Amino acid sequence: NAGVTQTPKFRVLKTGQSMTLLCAQDMNHEYMYWYRQDPGMGLRLIHYSVGEGTTAKGEVPDGYNVSRLKKQNFLLGLESAAPSQTSVYFCASSYGWRSANYGYTFGSGTRLTVV
Amino acid sequence: SQQGEEDPQALSIQEGENATMNCSYKTSINNLQWYRQNSGRGLVHLILIRSNEREKHSGRLRVTLDTSKKSSSLLITASRAADTASYFCATDPLSGSRLTFGEGTQLTVNP
Repeated sequence: NAGVTQTPKFRVLKTGQSMTLLCAQDMNHEYMYWYRQDPGMGLRLIHYSVGEGTTAKGEVPDGYNVSRLKKQNFLLGLESAAPSQTSVYFCASSYGWRSANYGYTFGSGTRLTVV
Repeated sequence: SQQGEEDPQALSIQEGENATMNCSYKTSINNLQWYRQNSGRGLVHLILIRSNEREKHSGRLRVTLDTSKKSSSLLITASRAADTASYFCATDPLSGSRLTFGEGTQLTVNP
């Protein structure tokens, strides 16, 4: 089925470890986004990309890096995980600027716990 | 702080009743969107209303937008147990920054 696929679905990290979350979409969307969702905080934008080879910072970028080497993939990296990065991470994609008329398509999330 | 704020934070109703959720925002927008999130799942886009629209329908969903009050409401008619989920409003601001989400309303529909 067409959509946004996130891997892994669950992960437990020790403080200081690194990992990469993968997001893949098969809808030929130009825009891709990484959000984190925490209780009482809603969804907060970490980084986003407006096209292959481009990335930009969102609301809470510190401690994260991203890459968009291929149009269909958007990777989120944690170089040195901290307990404050315990969260549920969502990837989303959209056709273009201003979310067009179609809204965002979200993945099912990655639940990350840093101990 | 978040651009959109939903009210109430939680709502519990009986199957068959209508559910109304409200969203207030702070800055001028291009459009406002509503999303649903089932427990443990990603957000699903429900409906989008543009700033020049006042009301929009989609199945059992009715969305209104009052740009003068910077508020929107989502009405779900004849609710079902399967409507149990969190509902988020998201605003697409004129300023050009990204879609911004509120904290959501948790709706519980009791059978």
